[in-house]
Amino acid sequence: GEDVEQSLFLSVREGDSSVINCTYTDSSSTYLYWYKQEPGAGLQLLTYIFSNMDMKQDQRLTVLLNKKDKHLSLRIADTQTGDSAIYFCAEGTGTASKLTFGTGTRLQVTL
Amino acid sequence: DTGVSQDPRHKITKRGQNVTFRCDPISEHNRLYWYRQTLGQGPEFLTYFQNEAQLEKSRLLSDRFSAERPKGSFSTLEIQRTEQGDSAMYLCASSFVIGAAGNEKLFFGSGTQLSVL
Repeated sequence: GEDVEQSLFLSVREGDSSVINCTYTDSSSTYLYWYKQEPGAGLQLLTYIFSNMDMKQDQRLTVLLNKKDKHLSLRIADTQTGDSAIYFCAEGTGTASKLTFGTGTRLQVTL
Repeated sequence: DTGVSQDPRHKITKRGQNVTFRCDPISEHNRLYWYRQTLGQGPEFLTYFQNEAQLEKSRLLSDRFSAERPKGSFSTLEIQRTEQGDSAMYLCASSFVIGAAGNEKLFFGSGTQLSVL
Protein backbone atom coordinates (compact mmCIF):
# COMPACT_ATOMS: atom_id res chain seq x y z
CA GLY A 1 0.00 0.00 0.00
CA GLU A 2 0.91 3.63 -0.12
CA ASP A 3 3.17 5.01 2.54
CA VAL A 4 4.51 8.52 3.02
CA GLU A 5 7.22 9.15 5.60
CA GLN A 6 8.62 12.31 7.11
CA SER A 7 10.96 13.13 9.95
CA LEU A 8 9.06 14.30 13.00
CA PHE A 9 10.85 17.46 14.02
CA LEU A 10 13.08 20.20 12.66
CA SER A 11 14.47 23.21 14.49
CA VAL A 12 16.05 26.15 12.67
CA ARG A 13 17.08 29.67 13.53
CA GLU A 14 15.22 32.61 12.15
CA GLY A 15 16.73 33.70 8.85
CA ASP A 16 18.22 30.30 8.05
CA SER A 17 16.86 27.94 5.41
CA SER A 18 14.70 24.99 6.39
CA VAL A 19 14.63 21.75 4.45
CA ILE A 20 11.84 19.30 5.14
CA ASN A 21 12.12 15.87 3.57
CA CYS A 22 9.56 13.27 2.55
CA THR A 23 9.69 9.83 0.96
CA TYR A 24 6.79 8.06 -0.67
CA THR A 25 6.21 4.63 -2.12
CA ASP A 26 3.44 4.93 -4.70
CA SER A 27 5.14 5.11 -8.08
CA SER A 28 1.83 6.07 -9.73
CA SER A 29 1.72 9.36 -7.84
CA THR A 30 0.99 12.16 -10.23
CA TYR A 31 1.04 15.17 -7.95
CA LEU A 32 2.92 15.78 -4.73
CA TYR A 33 1.83 18.45 -2.32
CA TRP A 34 3.04 20.35 0.69
CA TYR A 35 0.51 21.50 3.27
CA LYS A 36 1.01 23.65 6.38
CA GLN A 37 -1.01 23.20 9.56
CA GLU A 38 -0.92 25.75 12.35
CA PRO A 39 -2.30 24.92 15.83
CA GLY A 40 -6.07 24.55 15.85
CA ALA A 41 -6.33 25.17 12.14
CA GLY A 42 -6.99 23.15 9.02
CA LEU A 43 -4.45 22.42 6.35
CA GLN A 44 -3.28 25.15 4.03
CA LEU A 45 -1.97 24.17 0.61
CA LEU A 46 1.48 25.70 0.19
CA THR A 47 2.65 24.32 -3.11
CA TYR A 48 2.61 21.25 -5.30
CA ILE A 49 4.68 19.65 -8.02
CA PHE A 50 3.71 17.51 -10.97
CA SER A 51 5.57 14.23 -11.12
CA ASN A 52 7.27 15.00 -14.44
CA MET A 53 9.00 18.03 -12.91
CA ASP A 54 12.07 17.93 -10.73
CA MET A 55 11.94 21.41 -9.27
CA LYS A 56 9.46 24.15 -8.62
CA GLN A 57 10.11 27.53 -7.04
CA ASP A 58 7.45 29.75 -5.53
CA GLN A 59 8.77 32.83 -3.71
CA ARG A 60 10.55 31.54 -0.58
CA LEU A 61 9.55 27.94 -1.29
CA THR A 62 11.50 25.48 -3.42
CA VAL A 63 10.26 21.97 -4.03
CA LEU A 64 12.66 19.31 -5.25
CA LEU A 65 11.45 15.95 -6.54
CA ASN A 66 13.64 12.91 -7.14
CA LYS A 67 11.19 10.55 -8.76
CA LYS A 68 13.69 7.73 -9.06
CA ASP A 69 14.26 7.70 -5.28
CA LYS A 70 10.67 8.79 -4.52
CA HIS A 71 12.03 11.65 -2.46
CA LEU A 72 10.43 15.05 -2.09
CA SER A 73 11.78 18.07 -0.23
CA LEU A 74 10.55 21.51 0.69
CA ARG A 75 13.06 24.29 1.21
CA ILE A 76 11.94 27.45 2.96
CA ALA A 77 14.36 30.32 2.47
CA ASP A 78 14.80 32.99 5.16
CA THR A 79 12.66 31.08 7.65
CA GLN A 80 10.51 33.30 9.87
CA THR A 81 8.83 32.65 13.22
CA GLY A 82 5.51 32.65 11.38
CA ASP A 83 6.68 29.57 9.52
CA SER A 84 6.51 27.55 12.74
CA ALA A 85 3.89 24.87 12.05
CA ILE A 86 3.50 21.24 11.05
CA TYR A 87 4.27 20.54 7.42
CA PHE A 88 2.69 17.60 5.64
CA CYS A 89 3.66 16.14 2.34
CA ALA A 90 0.96 14.31 0.42
CA GLU A 91 0.78 12.33 -2.75
CA GLY A 92 -2.09 11.74 -5.12
CA THR A 93 -2.76 10.13 -8.43
CA GLY A 94 -4.65 13.09 -9.85
CA THR A 95 -7.96 11.32 -10.40
CA ALA A 96 -9.90 12.11 -7.26
CA SER A 97 -7.81 13.81 -4.64
CA LYS A 98 -7.71 10.87 -2.31
CA LEU A 99 -4.46 12.14 -0.94
CA THR A 100 -2.13 10.08 1.21
CA PHE A 101 -0.47 12.27 3.80
CA GLY A 102 2.75 11.83 5.69
CA THR A 103 2.86 12.01 9.48
CA GLY A 104 3.99 15.63 9.39
CA THR A 105 7.19 17.47 10.35
CA ARG A 106 6.96 19.98 13.13
CA LEU A 107 9.09 23.01 12.26
CA GLN A 108 10.26 25.11 15.16
CA VAL A 109 11.83 28.47 14.37
CA THR A 110 13.99 29.96 17.10
CA LEU A 111 15.27 33.50 17.49
CA ASP B 1 -15.39 33.53 -0.25
CA THR B 2 -15.64 32.49 3.38
CA GLY B 3 -13.68 29.26 3.08
CA VAL B 4 -14.71 25.82 4.27
CA SER B 5 -16.71 26.01 7.47
CA GLN B 6 -17.14 23.19 9.98
CA ASP B 7 -19.42 22.98 12.96
CA PRO B 8 -18.96 22.38 15.81
CA ARG B 9 -15.28 23.14 16.43
CA HIS B 10 -15.22 20.83 19.43
CA LYS B 11 -17.48 18.00 20.55
CA ILE B 12 -17.21 16.01 23.76
CA THR B 13 -19.46 13.00 24.03
CA LYS B 14 -19.85 9.85 26.06
CA ARG B 15 -19.14 6.46 24.59
CA GLY B 16 -22.21 5.02 22.91
CA GLN B 17 -23.74 8.36 21.98
CA ASN B 18 -24.36 9.50 18.40
CA VAL B 19 -22.74 12.64 17.03
CA THR B 20 -23.21 14.62 13.83
CA PHE B 21 -20.83 17.11 12.26
CA ARG B 22 -21.56 19.60 9.54
CA CYS B 23 -19.39 20.95 6.75
CA ASP B 24 -20.17 23.89 4.51
CA PRO B 25 -17.82 23.87 1.52
CA ILE B 26 -16.71 26.84 -0.50
CA SER B 27 -19.62 28.01 -2.58
CA GLU B 28 -19.74 26.39 -6.04
CA HIS B 29 -17.25 23.68 -5.12
CA ASN B 30 -18.57 20.42 -6.49
CA ARG B 31 -16.37 18.00 -4.55
CA LEU B 32 -16.39 17.52 -0.82
CA TYR B 33 -14.07 15.29 1.21
CA TRP B 34 -13.98 14.03 4.77
CA TYR B 35 -10.67 13.16 6.40
CA ARG B 36 -9.81 12.03 9.91
CA GLN B 37 -6.67 13.10 11.74
CA THR B 38 -5.48 11.53 14.97
CA LEU B 39 -2.84 13.06 17.21
CA GLY B 40 0.60 12.99 15.67
CA GLN B 41 -0.61 11.64 12.36
CA GLY B 42 -1.47 13.01 8.98
CA PRO B 43 -5.06 13.15 7.76
CA GLU B 44 -6.57 9.91 6.49
CA PHE B 45 -9.16 9.83 3.73
CA LEU B 46 -12.66 8.75 4.76
CA THR B 47 -15.01 9.54 1.88
CA TYR B 48 -15.80 12.02 -0.85
CA PHE B 49 -18.75 13.38 -2.80
CA GLN B 50 -19.07 14.74 -6.30
CA ASN B 51 -22.11 16.97 -6.03
CA GLU B 52 -24.62 14.84 -4.06
CA ALA B 53 -23.16 11.46 -5.04
CA GLN B 54 -20.91 9.66 -2.60
CA LEU B 55 -18.30 8.18 -4.91
CA GLU B 56 -15.84 6.48 -2.62
CA LYS B 57 -15.60 5.30 0.96
CA SER B 58 -12.48 4.22 2.78
CA ARG B 59 -12.26 0.94 4.67
CA LEU B 60 -11.78 3.21 7.71
CA LEU B 61 -15.43 4.17 7.41
CA SER B 62 -17.15 1.48 9.45
CA ASP B 63 -20.88 0.85 9.38
CA ARG B 64 -21.26 3.23 12.31
CA PHE B 65 -20.23 6.13 10.07
CA SER B 66 -22.52 7.70 7.51
CA ALA B 67 -22.04 10.79 5.42
CA GLU B 68 -24.53 12.68 3.31
CA ARG B 69 -24.56 15.61 0.98
CA PRO B 70 -28.24 15.81 0.11
CA LYS B 71 -28.31 18.85 -2.14
CA GLY B 72 -24.74 18.88 -3.28
CA SER B 73 -23.89 21.74 -0.95
CA PHE B 74 -23.30 21.14 2.77
CA SER B 75 -22.46 17.70 4.12
CA THR B 76 -23.00 15.90 7.40
CA LEU B 77 -20.95 13.13 8.96
CA GLU B 78 -22.70 11.04 11.60
CA ILE B 79 -21.05 8.59 13.94
CA GLN B 80 -23.37 6.21 15.74
CA ARG B 81 -22.54 4.47 19.01
CA THR B 82 -19.27 6.35 19.38
CA GLU B 83 -16.20 4.54 20.69
CA GLN B 84 -13.11 5.98 22.32
CA GLY B 85 -11.16 5.11 19.19
CA ASP B 86 -13.29 7.58 17.25
CA SER B 87 -11.62 10.46 19.09
CA ALA B 88 -9.91 12.50 16.39
CA MET B 89 -10.05 15.69 14.37
CA TYR B 90 -12.53 15.34 11.51
CA LEU B 91 -11.54 17.53 8.59
CA CYS B 92 -13.65 18.55 5.65
CA ALA B 93 -12.22 19.78 2.37
CA SER B 94 -13.73 20.96 -0.88
CA SER B 95 -12.60 21.53 -4.43
CA PHE B 96 -13.89 22.48 -7.83
CA VAL B 97 -13.24 20.08 -10.66
CA ILE B 98 -14.27 20.13 -14.30
CA GLY B 99 -14.13 16.82 -16.13
CA ALA B 100 -11.32 14.44 -15.27
CA ALA B 101 -9.38 15.85 -12.38
CA GLY B 102 -5.85 16.96 -13.02
CA ASN B 103 -4.29 18.87 -10.21
CA GLU B 104 -7.17 19.18 -7.80
CA LYS B 105 -6.57 21.73 -5.06
CA LEU B 106 -8.22 20.90 -1.78
CA PHE B 107 -9.25 23.64 0.61
CA PHE B 108 -9.59 22.40 4.18
CA GLY B 109 -11.76 23.58 7.02
CA SER B 110 -10.47 23.96 10.57
CA GLY B 111 -11.97 20.65 11.59
CA THR B 112 -14.18 19.29 14.35
CA GLN B 113 -12.27 17.89 17.31
CA LEU B 114 -14.16 14.91 18.74
CA SER B 115 -13.40 13.57 22.20
CA VAL B 116 -15.18 10.39 23.26
CA LEU B 117 -15.08 9.80 27.01
